[in-house]
Amino acid sequence: DTGVSQNPRHKITKRGQNVTFRCDPISEHNRLYWYRQTLGQGPEFLTYFQNEAQLEKSRLLSDRFSAERPKGSFSTLEIQRTEQGDSAMYLCASSSGQGKSANQPQHFGDGTRLSIL
Amino acid sequence: AQKITQTQPGMFVQEKEAVTLDCTYDTSDPSYGLFWYKQPSSGEMIFLIYQGSYDQQNATEGRYSLNFQKARKSANLVISASQLGDSAMYFCAMRELYNQGGKLIFGQGTELSVKP
Repeated sequence: DTGVSQNPRHKITKRGQNVTFRCDPISEHNRLYWYRQTLGQGPEFLTYFQNEAQLEKSRLLSDRFSAERPKGSFSTLEIQRTEQGDSAMYLCASSSGQGKSANQPQHFGDGTRLSIL
Repeated sequence: AQKITQTQPGMFVQEKEAVTLDCTYDTSDPSYGLFWYKQPSSGEMIFLIYQGSYDQQNATEGRYSLNFQKARKSANLVISASQLGDSAMYFCAMRELYNQGGKLIFGQGTELSVKP
């Protein structure tokens, strides 16, 4: 049983460059979430997919951010024209369940730590 | 307004003793779930325990138990017989049922240090 996998683990890039992260959820999970975590804070929700449909986006997700889950399996998160404030840990999580299922825990990957120079 | 409040930035506990990590929440949704996660220094978020708003009994999972006081809107995590490996950040999170997407709202966390 493999867990949620995120690549890369670390990304260092210059301000203004584009970056893309990948998340492979637990295979039977139909829901996939992206969160951002800055130092000393709890994770903040960015966006959510159910299968291939992106159903919710946080106001934190500016127009420089885009996420996809083309076949309802893996997902990518792209940040264009990176800024200093984008430096954070980007966490991906997946869960199972249909409709209202508050008790399904989300299982997290190890995250991608982004550093903007 | 904060939906999840963890008032203890840091806590110390002696090995083998019990410790309680506080969490209060705010929601107008009658149906919700409360979760606790552990985040070691390596960064991964590890699910520990879940409590549903309609659950009659407090949740327990091994050495973890949840002291759920619905009227006070608190969901404190109790770790019994602390171990050195319990040293980590602990996050309380809530999912409101009206939000069918199920996003988690996290508190700011409590850093637990277990002393030998």
